[in-house]
Amino acid sequence: EAGVTQSPRYAVLQEGQAVSFWCDPISGHDTLYWYQQPRDQGPQLLVYFRDEAVIDNSQLPSDRFSAVRPKGTNSTLKIQSAKQGDTATYLCASSPPGQNYEQYFGPGTRLTVL
Amino acid sequence: GDQVEQSPSALSLHEGTGSALRCNFTTTMRAVQWFRKNSRGSLINLFYLASGTKENGRLKSAFDSKERYSTLHIRDAQLEDSGTYFCAVTSGGNYKPTFGKGTSLVVHP
Repeated sequence: EAGVTQSPRYAVLQEGQAVSFWCDPISGHDTLYWYQQPRDQGPQLLVYFRDEAVIDNSQLPSDRFSAVRPKGTNSTLKIQSAKQGDTATYLCASSPPGQNYEQYFGPGTRLTVL
Repeated sequence: GDQVEQSPSALSLHEGTGSALRCNFTTTMRAVQWFRKNSRGSLINLFYLASGTKENGRLKSAFDSKERYSTLHIRDAQLEDSGTYFCAVTSGGNYKPTFGKGTSLVVHP
């Protein structure tokens, strides 16, 4: 069974540029999470979906960040105008349906904003 | 304060020894998950517990929702156990996850 896949693996931007991250969860998993992990810190939840619905996006900087999961499968996280403080690894995870909320993580996208 | 606290923040062990990592939380949590971040930066699943204890090889984890903590025990530590260990807890009706800040483990020969 394929795991969670993410692309690109790396991105380097100048401040003010836009970037999109793509995530393909494990087949059949209905919950999908996006995290930001600054260097040497724990992952910080940005947003999560159940199917196509946003469950919680309270930690997503709404002025520059957006996330969608239109068909309840793949998801895209976009940063509209990147800042140096956005430098981090962006992680995607998914969980199966039912009462088991065990998360399975992708390899992440390492973003550097110069 | 933080909802999830991990201790210690850093730990050094000699090969063959053991120790316990702890994850304390401020409210009742539905489940806990433990991960190790490997040298490539990937989060490796270790345990998922909604209650009780689980054991896998040299690792054992316990979750006490009432007392608001979870532990990860490592015995007979090996060099490849080095890395950062994270706990993540889920709370509320929507099982919102929150991570701790991690414990950095170094195993020495």
